[in-house]
Amino acid sequence: DAGVTQSPTHLIKTRGQQVTLRCSPKSGHDTVSWYQQALGQGPQFIFQYYEEEERQRGNFPDRFSGHQFPNYSSELNVNALLLGDSALYLCASSSGQDTDTQYFGPGTRLTVL
Amino acid sequence: AQTVTQSQPEMSVQEAETVTLSCTYDTSENNYYLFWYKQPPSRQMILVIRQEAYKQQNATENRFSVNFQKAAKSFSLKISDSQLGDTAMYFCAFNPPNNNDMRFGAGTRLTVKP
Repeated sequence: DAGVTQSPTHLIKTRGQQVTLRCSPKSGHDTVSWYQQALGQGPQFIFQYYEEEERQRGNFPDRFSGHQFPNYSSELNVNALLLGDSALYLCASSSGQDTDTQYFGPGTRLTVL
Repeated sequence: AQTVTQSQPEMSVQEAETVTLSCTYDTSENNYYLFWYKQPPSRQMILVIRQEAYKQQNATENRFSVNFQKAAKSFSLKISDSQLGDTAMYFCAFNPPNNNDMRFGAGTRLTVKP
């Protein structure tokens, strides 16, 4: 049973660039959430996708956008990168029947120079 | 606003001994879910244990158990018979039903010493 997968593992970008991160949910899950985890802190909720629509959004600017595909996989896009966007980006999936329990992927480490 | 507080930035325990990690939260909700996640150096966030607020019985998963005190808004994690593989960051998290903006504490770094 495949768990949540994310790609790439690491990414280095420069300020002003754009980045796309990818996530495939755990088998049987249809809901994907994205979190940003700054160094030494707990994860912060960015947004959640269900049925290809953004269902809920945290306190993040519009530079952060996402997409969910018919196969439930998801992308996180960040435009106009800032140094402060450097963080571990975690994807979590859950089932529509149990959306309160989320299972996380290994994360993508983004470094903005 | 719903917040989660973990007041112990770092803890250590000898192998085979028992350790308790503290967590408090603030909410006006009556129904919600609480979680403990473990994040080892590999970065993967692993679900350790889950508690539904409407259940009075404390959740248990093998060597891991919680002490859920709803009135005090406290949710501590007890690890029995600590193993070297338990070394990790532990995050307490809160999630109201039908609201998936899960809130995390700042984490407790646990080191199990041989």
